[in-house]
Amino acid sequence: QVQLQESGPGLVKPSETLSLTCTVSGGSMSSSFWSWIRQPAGKGLEWIGRIYTTGNTDYRPSLKSRVFLSVDTSRSQVSLRLTSVTAADTAVYFCARGRHYCSGGDCYSRWFDPWGQGILVTVSS
Amino acid sequence: DIQMTQSPASLSASVGDRVTITCRASQDITKYLDWYQQKPGKAPNLLIYRASNLQTGVPSRFSGSGSGTDFTFTISSLQPEDIATYYCVQYDNLPPTFGQGTKVQIK
Repeated sequence: QVQLQESGPGLVKPSETLSLTCTVSGGSMSSSFWSWIRQPAGKGLEWIGRIYTTGNTDYRPSLKSRVFLSVDTSRSQVSLRLTSVTAADTAVYFCARGRHYCSGGDCYSRWFDPWGQGILVTVSS
Repeated sequence: DIQMTQSPASLSASVGDRVTITCRASQDITKYLDWYQQKPGKAPNLLIYRASNLQTGVPSRFSGSGSGTDFTFTISSLQPEDIATYYCVQYDNLPPTFGQGTKVQIK
């Protein structure tokens, strides 16, 4: 059973870069895509971006200028970098696996299953 | 971005009650909608995929229906362990967008 674990600094200073890693265990990274999602305290969920093991990415338009995702299949890791952070970037950050399914021309995706436990990142001086 | 309007924002019901949550998309998303349950301090957990398909291992009291712009999530008989916030998410168009969430409490 695939498990995901986020790691990284819990405190980042304003204007600096937030860097997180999602380590995948219990299964292969292939045939999947990997998303980052964040959730400010007491608020809803916001998708940040996704990356395939090929390196292809999609980003949330409002964050596109500040976000960079990378993947290292040899280490079974997906990384998130978010530059020029402000207090508005304070949130719990989750990673999640996504998969596409096709059967007889009928295709759909499961975007977020499973999730990591999440990591709280606070932006503060 | 496609806007997902989820209602109600919160509800309180008794154990055994039928609970219904709705999500309305700002445009046709066919059936590209999932439902998640999030308990306090935990990551969301997939319950329903593609509008009406029950994820493996999820109790059958959970169900989903709908297509196009209007979707419904139902708990047929509310249990104490169902206390959580529930989210819909569309993935017909990038970026995937979540509803605002519905907090379900026991009366």
